[in-house]
Amino acid sequence: GAGVSQSPRYKVAKRGQDVALRCDPISGHVSLFWYQQALGQGPEFLTYFQNEAQLDKSGLPSDRFFAERPEGSVSTLKIQRTQQEDSAVYLCASSLFGAADTQYFGPGTRLTVL
Amino acid sequence: GENVEQHPSTLSVQEGDSAVIKCTYSDSASNYFPWYKQELGKRPQLIIDIRSNVGEKKDQRIAVTLNKTAKHFSLHITETQPEDSAVYFCAARSNDYKLSFGAGTTVTVRA
Repeated sequence: GAGVSQSPRYKVAKRGQDVALRCDPISGHVSLFWYQQALGQGPEFLTYFQNEAQLDKSGLPSDRFFAERPEGSVSTLKIQRTQQEDSAVYLCASSLFGAADTQYFGPGTRLTVL
Repeated sequence: GENVEQHPSTLSVQEGDSAVIKCTYSDSASNYFPWYKQELGKRPQLIIDIRSNVGEKKDQRIAVTLNKTAKHFSLHITETQPEDSAVYFCAARSNDYKLSFGAGTTVTVRA
C-alpha cells in the first residue's frame, strides 16, 4: 500500500518568508510525528499527534514553528519568518495505533532558507 | 531526556565481511530500540528492532543485541553486500512515543 508521503519534496525560501510543509500519513494511522534532520545528523523529535490532538510539542524550536492535524489525517508543519538555521530535512512519520507501534517515515521535505 | 550516542560515524568494510555499529543510551527506562537504514535522499526505513525484554534478535544477515545493564545495543550485519551501503541510525524510546536518534553511521561496502 501507499506509504507516508510529503510535499513539497524540496522548498527554497528567502529569509523571513513563511512556509508550509504537508504530510499524508498511511491511511488509518492514528499517530503522527514530525522530526527535523540537520545535515549529517539523526532525526530530532519536533511534535506528536494522536488523531487530531497534539499531545507533545516540546521539540518545536521556537514559537515560529506550528503544526496542526485538524481532521486527524493530513498534517501541516508551518514555519513563520524562516531563518537560515531552519534549513534542514523535515521528516514526517506515522504509526498504526498507539505511538508505541513502529514508526514509518516519509521521504522528507528539504528546506533551504537563503 | 534520552541521549543516544552512536559509533563509529563512518565504517568501510570489504564485501562479504561483517559490520558492527554500537550505540549507548542514557535513560534506563528506555524499552524499545529500532534501527533505521537511510539511503541518500531517501526515507529512513526500519530494518530491525528489539524490545527490552529480549537480549538478541536476528533477521537473516542482520542481528541486534541489547545489554540493558550496560545500556548499550549493537547492530551486526554479516556477509555485507554493496546494497548494504547507506547511513544507519539507532534510536531509543524512553516513553510511550518519543524516539531519540543517534547521529548515524555511514557504511560503505567495498566491492
